[in-house]
Amino acid sequence: ETGVTQSPTHLIKTRGQQVTLRCSSQSGHNTVSWYQQALGQGPQFIFQYYREEENGRGNFPPRFSGLQFPNYSSELNVNALELDDSALYLCASSLGRSAEAFFGQGTRLTVV
Amino acid sequence: QQQVKQSPQSLIVQKGGISIINCAYENTAFDYFPWYQQFPGKGPALLIAIRPDVSEKKEGRFTISFNKSAKQFSLHIMDSQPGDSATYFCAASNQAGTALIFGKGTTLSVSS
Repeated sequence: ETGVTQSPTHLIKTRGQQVTLRCSSQSGHNTVSWYQQALGQGPQFIFQYYREEENGRGNFPPRFSGLQFPNYSSELNVNALELDDSALYLCASSLGRSAEAFFGQGTRLTVV
Repeated sequence: QQQVKQSPQSLIVQKGGISIINCAYENTAFDYFPWYQQFPGKGPALLIAIRPDVSEKKEGRFTISFNKSAKQFSLHIMDSQPGDSATYFCAASNQAGTALIFGKGTTLSVSS
């Protein structure tokens, strides 16, 4: 059984650019959630995908968007990057929407 | 109403001692309370979780105590070890299970 894997592990982008982060859910898990963790803070919920549909969204602007694919892997897209978008982006998968969530190692995004 | 307040922000405990981290919540709809452990450069790892139908749950050296009337829950680490040095996050979610609301974290240092 493989755990949650995210790619890339580190990324540096310029303000105004667009970025795509990827997540492979744990085997058998059909739900993926994305979180943003600023330095020294707890993770903040961005959105969740369940069976390829968005199933809830946190307080993030529309330039944060996502996708879930038939194999339950997921992408997080961020357009028009801002300096404040610099953070660790975490993906968590679970079996069902209210089950235990298991996190990947995260993608460290730096916007310069 | 969606906040989870965690204290202390940092904690230093001697090897073999008991580490205690406290959390308080406001939303009475919350019904799932996990604790996560995070090492530098890694994603959060699920440690232990509790639902409000029990007042205590123990797994090895880790115990969650839950007080529904006070809307508080705490993590106790018995016989703390240097390997327990990490950041600990409490979290909460409701039955819809869409989002985990995290506390701000507690950095634990166990001195040998």
